[in-house]
Amino acid sequence: AQSVSQHNHHVILSEAASLELGCNYSYGGTVNLFWYVQYPGQHLQLLLKYFSGDPLVKGIKGFEAEFIKSKFSFNLRKPSVQWSDTAEYFCAVNGPGGYQKVTFGTGTKLQVIP
Amino acid sequence: KAGVTQTPRYLIKTRGQQVTLSCSPISGHRSVSWYQQTPGQGLQFLFEYFSETQRNKGNFPGRFSGRQFSNSRSEMNVSTLELGDSALYLCASSVDTGELFFGEGSRLTVL
Repeated sequence: AQSVSQHNHHVILSEAASLELGCNYSYGGTVNLFWYVQYPGQHLQLLLKYFSGDPLVKGIKGFEAEFIKSKFSFNLRKPSVQWSDTAEYFCAVNGPGGYQKVTFGTGTKLQVIP
Repeated sequence: KAGVTQTPRYLIKTRGQQVTLSCSPISGHRSVSWYQQTPGQGLQFLFEYFSETQRNKGNFPGRFSGRQFSNSRSEMNVSTLELGDSALYLCASSVDTGELFFGEGSRLTVL
């Protein structure tokens, strides 16, 4: 069965600091990779996704993620965080079992201090 | 384009009761997935339906069940509620690419 690990449960940063959130998955076959974000009081929404091609993908609001197949990793990065980035971030992977069996990590709560 | 709609948004039940939650997917989306979200556990996959058929199932007891109708609307049912079933239940629809579009969830409290 697929498992997804997010290394940091709670991260506190000051505005303008750089962000990197770790994500590792266990399944070695073909996968699609996602980062979702849940802002306070809002529903989960897609931040970025990787299906194939360039392993460096760019998402909304200046976020990017790098897929490193050899390390089974898909880390999320942002060069300079803003207070509005305060949210919970979830890494997700689909496969095996078809496209719609999407496994989520336990999430990382990011708090950005002004 | 309307998003995923879940009803009810909040509900309180007592142990032993049953509950039915409803989800209307985005128009044109034929896949509907259900997740349980709890603090510390993240999102746990319950099941996924496509064209009225359950395609994938997570590791939840048989008290958790679901179905999908011909218009792609889906319901999930939890019977014999336990305190540990208190959670936010999320529905997500998709066009079958793996990218999920979530509703705001139904928050269930079991007393």
